[in-house]
Amino acid sequence: DAGVIQSPRHEVTEMGQEVTLRCKPISGHDYLFWYRQTMMRGLELLIYFNNNVPIDDSGMPEDRFSAKMPNASFSTLKIQPSEPRDSAVYFCASSPGTRLWQYFGPGTRLTVT
Amino acid sequence: DQQVKQNSPSLSVQEGRISILNCDYTNSMFDYFLWYKKYPAEGPTFLISISSIKDKNEDGRFTVFLNKSAKHLSLHIVPSQPGDSAVYFCAARAYNQGGKLIFGQGTELSVKP
Repeated sequence: DAGVIQSPRHEVTEMGQEVTLRCKPISGHDYLFWYRQTMMRGLELLIYFNNNVPIDDSGMPEDRFSAKMPNASFSTLKIQPSEPRDSAVYFCASSPGTRLWQYFGPGTRLTVT
Repeated sequence: DQQVKQNSPSLSVQEGRISILNCDYTNSMFDYFLWYKKYPAEGPTFLISISSIKDKNEDGRFTVFLNKSAKHLSLHIVPSQPGDSAVYFCAARAYNQGGKLIFGQGTELSVKP
């Protein structure tokens, strides 16, 4: 079975540009999570969805960040406008509701110059 | 407010010896604790978990110990192998926060031959 798929794997953009990160969860998983990894704070949960509905977006840093899940097999995380402090690795993870742990994608390394 | 803390950013151990990774938490509402392992350029993968009603869980070379009175858990790897070199994340599930996982900053383990 394919795991969680994220694209792109690497993104380099200039400050002020819009960035869109994409995620395809594991088929049949009804929970989807977006995380950001930084040295100082480790893995921070940004937002998570259950059955395509956002449940908790309290980790989204500010209005420049938005996330959508239009269907069970696709989600996006958008940053507009991007800033250098957004540089980090962004992970998407999914899990079936009955499972304690989550399955992570390989991540997208974002660099904003 | 860092509810889960891993105070050691790195740890170096000789092959064959014991590796001990530590994690502290502040929220007494956590009901499960998990350890994830992360190799470079990959997403974290689930390693082992423990329920808050237990004080030890063992899986092969990996053992997790929980001390609820001290709000502390540790992961023991015996014997350590070079392939164990990775970043280890401690995570806790907050059942009073929708069941989401809260991660620590990570500890980079280096096992030297």
